Amino acid sequence: DAKTTQPTSMDCAEGRAANLPCNHSTISGNEYVYWYRQIHSQGPQYIIHGLKNNETNEMASLIITEDRKSSTLILPHATLRDTAVYYCIVRVAYRDDKIIFGKGTRLHILP
Amino acid sequence: AAGVIQSPRHLIKEKRETATLKCYPIPRHDTVYWYQQGPGQDPQFLISFYEKMQSDKGSIPDRFSAQQFSDYHSELNMSSLELGDSALYFCASSPQGMNTEAFFGQGTRLTVV
Repeated sequence: DAKTTQPTSMDCAEGRAANLPCNHSTISGNEYVYWYRQIHSQGPQYIIHGLKNNETNEMASLIITEDRKSSTLILPHATLRDTAVYYCIVRVAYRDDKIIFGKGTRLHILP
Repeated sequence: AAGVIQSPRHLIKEKRETATLKCYPIPRHDTVYWYQQGPGQDPQFLISFYEKMQSDKGSIPDRFSAQQFSDYHSELNMSSLELGDSALYFCASSPQGMNTEAFFGQGTRLTVV
């Protein structure tokens, strides 16, 4: 079963920062927080992951609370191409640990 | 950069037929995962392989089987196809080591008629 809770949908104006929350109150000490997104019927795309420190890459930033029970994915300047379903996943980062997708957040970027 | 390659991209089969989906992981990735995504559904984990051995199993029907070959490519075999098997099938691969991410292919759209 998915171990995360996310809003069903969110809207964000183009050019603004999109902040996607995720609750993972039962996360274990060896589990990472991963974010993937799926643009309509394409393969899920890896965005970012982290353990406890905030992370940033060319796509997004990941903010994890100190107690690790929740996190926020930030897309700093959303574009129409960021319209997708965003999945927050907790996963032990072993090489063969499966990814379990929950319901995700459908993000609509508004022009 | 090389990505996960899936073939075919589209497949149409009749009920009770057999289908074989193929997945070619990113070079030097030794783990392969298979997912099924029905219309309007989220991807569901089917099965995974690490170093050519099955490593985990999800809600995969008994009519389905899969294996990973010596060159690390994987095949998902589906027999006695049913209308409800119509879905997108994704393969993902991940590399050796800890703290890794999995990369997904573009999927195979299977339509059973």
